[in-house]
Amino acid sequence: AQSVTQPDIHITVSEGASLELRCNYSYGATPYLFWYVQSPGQGLQLLLKYFSGDTLVQGIKGFEAEFKRSQSSFNLRKPSVHWSDAAEYFCAVGARSNYQLIWGAGTKLIIKP
Amino acid sequence: KAGVTQTPRYLIKTRGQQVTLSCSPISGHRSVSWYQQTPGQGLQFLFEYFSETQRNKGNFPGRFSGRQFSNSRSEMNVSTLELGDSALYLCASSLAGAGARRETQYFGPGTRLLVL
Repeated sequence: AQSVTQPDIHITVSEGASLELRCNYSYGATPYLFWYVQSPGQGLQLLLKYFSGDTLVQGIKGFEAEFKRSQSSFNLRKPSVHWSDAAEYFCAVGARSNYQLIWGAGTKLIIKP
Repeated sequence: KAGVTQTPRYLIKTRGQQVTLSCSPISGHRSVSWYQQTPGQGLQFLFEYFSETQRNKGNFPGRFSGRQFSNSRSEMNVSTLELGDSALYLCASSLAGAGARRETQYFGPGTRLLVL
């Protein structure tokens, strides 16, 4: 069955430090992969996506993610976080067979001043 | 281009009532998906419509229903509300549906429903 795992429920990072949020997926074929961010009380904003090609994907707000097929992972990174990055981050897989996204449980990012 | 809009943004209802939520997709998008988000269950897929047809449905009771109009606007309805229906309801639109032909879903701000 298709699934997405975000193993970290919360992550606390100091402002200016680097960030890596983990995402592992289970999918029978090459997946379409997404990272979304949700600020409190808001909808979801697309950060970046992977469909094919270059496995290192650049997104908005200085985020990037790397698709590693051998590890079934699509981890999100940022070299230096800002207080405004505090939010919840969701990884998702696009299931080609049934027109829906399969979501991870989300990782809440807390920024220490 | 205007984004996905959802109305109303906030709603308070009592148990047993029914509610209708509205979603207007990005112009040109024909696929509209609905999700329920709660702290306990996370994001759960409700259903997806494309060109007025429901193509896929999540694992929700029949009290949850939806429809899509010829202009791609969509509504979802919840009848006989229960306390557990309190949630953020998110609508997303795309050209042809998530997962299809490298589609990207764009989300609205959500409707926050509180059932008392």
